[in-house]
Amino acid sequence: QVQLVESGGGVVQPGRSLRLSCAASEFTFSTHDMHWVRQAPGKGLEWVALISYNGNNEYYADSVKGRFTISRDNSKNTLYLQMNSLRVEDAAVYYCAKSGLYYDSSGRGHLYFDYWGQGTLVTVSS
Amino acid sequence: SSELTQDPAVSVALGQTVRITCQGDSLRTYYASWYQQKPGQAPVLVIYGKNNRPSGIPDRFSGSSSGNTASLTITGAQAEDEADYYCNSRDSSGNHVVFGGGTKLTVL
Repeated sequence: QVQLVESGGGVVQPGRSLRLSCAASEFTFSTHDMHWVRQAPGKGLEWVALISYNGNNEYYADSVKGRFTISRDNSKNTLYLQMNSLRVEDAAVYYCAKSGLYYDSSGRGHLYFDYWGQGTLVTVSS
Repeated sequence: SSELTQDPAVSVALGQTVRITCQGDSLRTYYASWYQQKPGQAPVLVIYGKNNRPSGIPDRFSGSSSGNTASLTITGAQAEDEADYYCNSRDSSGNHVVFGGGTKLTVL
């Protein structure tokens, strides 16, 4: 069974940094795009970042671009999120999610998240 | 990027049918996927693609799409279906992802 286990969350002061990890197992990590998604307390889901299967492409939500960096180590089956210049509004549960693609008859790929980790809580407070 | 819009809350009587909708420009190009989230738990994929259910998802869950609107239908809602439901898709650029704001489903 696919497993995604996040770690690295905690309490951090505004302006400081934190690095999240997501350990993946029971699937071929190196062949799947991966994402970070966050959820502020009592709020909805917000996509944060995407990294391609080989690490060559990264995309970010406007809210974190320039402050967060997504990366991966395919030799360790691990996904990372380096979060710098943290703000109070970055406080959330951070989930890593495995990406799947459904291809229609025209060959267009439609994205979905087929597996999620249990999440790690990041609290930003002075 | 684009946005996806969902009704904040919907209710359904036990055993009845309910439709949860998701609207957005990106849905003219991309199928939505749907997630169920219960309190304190991670989201779970319930529908993806044109109308596909992952293994273990009951067949009372189905999806459809028309124009800029995607729909999740639960036929014969059960008490255990009470949860928050989110849609998502690629955005219009294809490189970002957008989520709907979520719909809280209450089963009466």
